[in-house]
Amino acid sequence: KQEVTQIPAALSVPEGENLVLNCSFTDSAIYNLQWFRQDPGKGLTSLLLIQSSQREQTSGRLNASLDKSSGRSTLYIAASQPGDSATYLCAVSGFQKLVFGTGTRLLVSP
Amino acid sequence: DAGVIQSPRHEVTEMGQEVTLRCKPISGHDYLFWYRQTMMRGLELLIYFNNNVPIDDSGMPEDRFSAKMPNASFSTLKIQPSEPRDSAVYFCASSLLAERYNEQFFGPGTRLTVL
Repeated sequence: KQEVTQIPAALSVPEGENLVLNCSFTDSAIYNLQWFRQDPGKGLTSLLLIQSSQREQTSGRLNASLDKSSGRSTLYIAASQPGDSATYLCAVSGFQKLVFGTGTRLLVSP
Repeated sequence: DAGVIQSPRHEVTEMGQEVTLRCKPISGHDYLFWYRQTMMRGLELLIYFNNNVPIDDSGMPEDRFSAKMPNASFSTLKIQPSEPRDSAVYFCASSLLAERYNEQFFGPGTRLTVL
């Protein structure tokens, strides 16, 4: 059974810092990996999707990497801003079924 | 496109009552998913459909839960009878296999409170 873990559970940084969120999964037989953002009381917004054959994806200040062999993914956020404050979730797909991590709650202070 | 639409956004009901949650997927998408989010268990997949056909309902917690997709633009998740432990946020998501490697797009969720 696939298990997804995210470290740290919570992170507080001052504005402008670069930061890394970590995601690990137990079964490397994945189809893709998605990073989501969830604001309090809101739905999930897809940030990046990495196919199993890819190593990384970039969107603006966000960069996600994938190392299937070691069961790890990282989300790098450059020059963090207060608007980045949210919970970040990673989810791995065994084709259709997404298995979610427990999330990292990020607070960026002005 | 308006994205995935869910209704109602909030539902408060009493134990024993029937609850129906509704979802309209993104037009053209061929997969629809129902998830539940709680503090204790995080986000869990309940059931998913492909071309209106239920494919995997192994995540449905009990027989009190049922889901239908009568056509490509509408799905319901029903709980009957509801219990306090069903209180959670229920999300609907949709995807298109042929695009973006089946990236899933989520609705805003329905916050259910069972008293």
